[in-house]
Amino acid sequence: ETGVTQTPRHLVMGMTNKKSLKCEQHLGHNAMYWYKQSAKKPLELMFVYNFKEQTENNSVPSRFSPECPNSSHLFLHLHTLQPEDSALYLCASSHGTSGTMQDTQYFGPGTRLTVL
Amino acid sequence: KQEVTQIPAALSVPEGENLVLNCSFTDSAIYNLQWFRQDPGKGLTSLLLIQSSQREQTSGRLNASLDKSSGRSTLYIAASQPGDSATYLCAAPYGGATNKLIFGTGTLLAVQP
Repeated sequence: ETGVTQTPRHLVMGMTNKKSLKCEQHLGHNAMYWYKQSAKKPLELMFVYNFKEQTENNSVPSRFSPECPNSSHLFLHLHTLQPEDSALYLCASSHGTSGTMQDTQYFGPGTRLTVL
Repeated sequence: KQEVTQIPAALSVPEGENLVLNCSFTDSAIYNLQWFRQDPGKGLTSLLLIQSSQREQTSGRLNASLDKSSGRSTLYIAASQPGDSATYLCAAPYGGATNKLIFGTGTLLAVQP
């Protein structure tokens, strides 16, 4: 499989559940990202990982816990979420070193999350 | 802090028309600016990335320009087709980084056959 893949594509969970979103990139990139896209709001950057190290946490609540075990995989662990956390969660990757076209970000299809 | 605005929010044109989408940003100290396309319920597809040293980039029927001094970028689509219907997003980096992006709210484009 090529590009950036995300699983599951759809997830419904209760506020007391614990679930995880998975992202995998097959592009040989070293930077990975989590974004949140809520209805009628701009896409929001949540976390950035460069070479497995977290380099950005954009004031994300602790009920969202990212994990990057290697440069190809990124997880978002979810626990005690709120209904307002319902959104499309997008993963992206990029080369990870600055350069002419290497900042281009490639996105996965997203996980549609609904919190009841 | 970087703010990105896109105008118009929605646009409907007949097939074959040339069109321009606008993006403005408040912090002109950017390393690059990116344009993306998003189809309903899908992820984003990168269209063009313009480095700060460039004034424009072209890919097929798409041409993006960048004017840092005025804080503006435009995406020009030539000879529009129904398959161009999608939401177009621009994104500019913040905090002196090249990859921490602030996105605009997008322009929803509908090309009528």
